[in-house]
Amino acid sequence: AQSVTQLGSHVSVSEGALVLLRCNYSSSVPPYLFWYVQYPNQGLQLLLKYTSAATLVKGINGFEAEFKKSETSFHLTKPSAHMSDAAEYFCAVSDRRGSNYKLTFGKGTLLTVNP
Amino acid sequence: EPEVTQTPSHQVTQMGQEVILRCVPISNHLYFYWYRQILGQKVEFLVSFYNNEISEKSEIFDDQFSVERPDGSNFTLKIRSTKLEDSAMYFCASRPDPVAYGYTFGSGTRLTVV
Repeated sequence: AQSVTQLGSHVSVSEGALVLLRCNYSSSVPPYLFWYVQYPNQGLQLLLKYTSAATLVKGINGFEAEFKKSETSFHLTKPSAHMSDAAEYFCAVSDRRGSNYKLTFGKGTLLTVNP
Repeated sequence: EPEVTQTPSHQVTQMGQEVILRCVPISNHLYFYWYRQILGQKVEFLVSFYNNEISEKSEIFDDQFSVERPDGSNFTLKIRSTKLEDSAMYFCASRPDPVAYGYTFGSGTRLTVV
């Protein structure tokens, strides 16, 4: 069964600092990978996705992630944090077997940005 | 940009009552999902729906839950007899084929069972 591990339930950075949110996955076949952001009391917004094209994926709001098959990782980065980036971030994996492709989510990482 | 619409945004119900959560997926999408997020926990898969039938369901999705797409546009989740532990945020999602185009989530319905 596929699974997602997000290291660090809470990450705190200063405004302007590098953001690094870690995600490792377990899947027996190369998966599709996603990062979603959830602002307080809101739904899930897609930040970016990996679907087997380029391994370095650029998303919205200056975020990017790199798929590393050898490390089974898909870490999310942003060079310079902004106050508006404070939110919860979820990594998710979708198994390519079959046709259902349900998403399996990690437990989430709460990002706080300090002035 | 097309959206997945969920109603209501909040619902409070008494334990034992039936609730129906409604979703309008994006019109040309073919696959539909329900997920839930208990406060402070991760988002969990409940059920997927394709070609007018359930294609997969989780252990959470027991006999108290049902889904249907009654009119080709709405996609509903019914909980027959709510329990306190059903209190959660419920998200509807839809996607086209192929999956590389990605999933679109609604803004969720917060269900509180009292």
